Amino acid sequence: QSVLTQPPSVSEAPRQRVTISCSGSSSNIGNNAVNWYQQLPGKAPKLLIYSDDVLPSGVSDRFSGSKSGTSASLAISGLQSEDEADYYCATWDDSLNALVFGGGTKLTVL
Amino acid sequence: QVQLVQSGAEVKKPGASVRVSCKASRYTFSSHAIHWVRQAPGQSLEWMGWINAGNGNTKYSRRFQGRVMITRDTSARTAYMEVSSLRFEDTAVYFCAKGMGSGSYSPIDNWGQGTLVTVSS
Repeated sequence: QSVLTQPPSVSEAPRQRVTISCSGSSSNIGNNAVNWYQQLPGKAPKLLIYSDDVLPSGVSDRFSGSKSGTSASLAISGLQSEDEADYYCATWDDSLNALVFGGGTKLTVL
Repeated sequence: QVQLVQSGAEVKKPGASVRVSCKASRYTFSSHAIHWVRQAPGQSLEWMGWINAGNGNTKYSRRFQGRVMITRDTSARTAYMEVSSLRFEDTAVYFCAKGMGSGSYSPIDNWGQGTLVTVSS
């Protein structure tokens, strides 16, 4: 069981907007920055968002992140077929003294 | 751009050890952390540990403490991760990943291509 809880799957039609949630606790999300990663099938993860809501250079502005209390969210607007991938949230956990990942969310673009 | 190139796939027997290397280029190696993360088939990502490539300090997940060792060779710009006493459930793709800074809290911003380690009798 992952320390951070994500929905196993989400789906939405092309050109629509989808959000992926990541729920944690005061020892992780509540006290540390959240990062988001995209993993295409058979590939290494790629950084999408860091420090809760910062977009790395080169990442499409269709991706955005937010955080409130012990939960974080990733939003993807203008969905495209190429967005089909697994998405993971990650943050430091002060109690475990470890980097922790969510269980991952598989996005299907209908 | 930043490159992290890992060693090739390995097949090991239970009880054996495996060492995976991660050669870095196109950034200042000693100014950043290297993390090791594994992914079992069909599973999520699991953090194993971290090394400050500058001073060599390490931190390990409690789950792997005592069975995993992370080292680095600054002159070779290479990090290493060794897992001992391999079990069938250690079969996974192992990734090295670069931190934005040198601390363990620093976000991972680049990943190696992954190394498949298969534990089979």
